[in-house]
Amino acid sequence: DAKTTQPPSMDCAEGRAANLPCNHSTISGNEYVYWYRQIHSQGPQYIIHGLKNNETNEMASLIITEDRKSSTLILPHATLRDTAVYYCIVRVVGSQGNLIFGKGTKLSVKP
Amino acid sequence: NAGVTQTPKFQVLKTGQSMTLQCAQDMNHNSMYWYRQDPGMGLRLIYYSASEGTTDKGEVPNGYNVSRLNKREFSLRLESAAPSQTSVYFCASSEGAGGIYEQYFGPGTRLTVT
Repeated sequence: DAKTTQPPSMDCAEGRAANLPCNHSTISGNEYVYWYRQIHSQGPQYIIHGLKNNETNEMASLIITEDRKSSTLILPHATLRDTAVYYCIVRVVGSQGNLIFGKGTKLSVKP
Repeated sequence: NAGVTQTPKFQVLKTGQSMTLQCAQDMNHNSMYWYRQDPGMGLRLIYYSASEGTTDKGEVPNGYNVSRLNKREFSLRLESAAPSQTSVYFCASSEGAGGIYEQYFGPGTRLTVT
């Protein structure tokens, strides 16, 4: 699975959009981009995933660049409850087994 | 639906003691996983079960055994606990083992080995 690079931390004001970047310059054509988050002391929570088109669900939007080398997770109206570590993971469609979690981005939403 | 449940939530063991961590899911998922998370680190896979009746080693299997009891339940056993196994243990499940399936995680078991 391709390696990802994320900033270690970011701040966001409550009510504003949080834009979390991820670089995956070695991604190959059969790898999906997944986003999970982990709120302090809890199990990771699935947010969204995509292959090449932009995706949106009730939690977030995922914007993938045309060359697929990077992506951005957007939380449109961040709340204090969105304070968490956000993990960007790329995964081969046919792979079995684990998700490979890096260190992620610690997002702090401030009032 | 309860999703993925884990018992116990907390456990303290002495070196050399054994214990079994229990995990159950009610989503009719085929695949289940055990991860560990050490302080300040990402999750690392211990074992997984792609389907009922199969188990495979992950990244850090040494010192652990697993049992896929049925489709719902996947247990993790520490035969002789060591301080290096102090960690938070997460169980997860997914509809299938392939890369397109999202994984759903339990709340974790916090284990301390003294």
